[in-house]
Amino acid sequence: KNEVEQSPQNLTAQEGEFITINCSYSVGISALHWLQQHPGGGIVSLFMLSSGKKKHGRLIATINIQEKHSSLHITASHPRDSAVYICAAPPTSGTYKYIFGTGTRLKVLA
Amino acid sequence: EAQVTQNPRYLITVTGKKLTVTCSQNMNHEYMSWYRQDPGLGLRQIYYSMNVEVTDKGDVPEGYKVSRKEKRNFPLILESPSPNQTSLYFCASSPLRSAGKNIQYFGAGTRLSVL
Repeated sequence: KNEVEQSPQNLTAQEGEFITINCSYSVGISALHWLQQHPGGGIVSLFMLSSGKKKHGRLIATINIQEKHSSLHITASHPRDSAVYICAAPPTSGTYKYIFGTGTRLKVLA
Repeated sequence: EAQVTQNPRYLITVTGKKLTVTCSQNMNHEYMSWYRQDPGLGLRQIYYSMNVEVTDKGDVPEGYKVSRKEKRNFPLILESPSPNQTSLYFCASSPLRSAGKNIQYFGAGTRLSVL
């Protein structure tokens, strides 16, 4: 069993739909990161959160440390949101070894 | 412009021919890391460095070497590449203020094929 698991693996949505991607982890962590990988391959960091909720434009990330679960929401989805979304966890032991989920491939249709 | 630069972007080589993938950052970050990405397996950490002359193994270090002689550079060395090292490689950097709580900046990736 992977220490960081994402669901779903693939997701197809119609433009305008509300999207949720889930990330569950079994390790203790200090923070959880959400990354976006564009179809061209480049990776950008979207969020780093250790508690509560963060919002950036139409993207919202939440985390429940006790339940070891985080969600990434996209409101009013658009075809340009099509990408692979990856969650990543560095363990609380203070190491800098990141563990990644296998990613959720999102396709938003016009 | 703040960036992490990897070179080359694409590389085709043959088994056993030593190669180096360079990584350079201009943000004065202490932390640098190398990852490989494979279908179905996601990103996996190869090596990381917390500062000059300080490196440590990630989850998949076999067959790779790194060095950190200067703060800005963190090259990945494949002494004797094998076909199972065919992958997409990313370099990343971040500050080192709080363990795990720093946004990482990624390079554009290097697609390596070992024949």
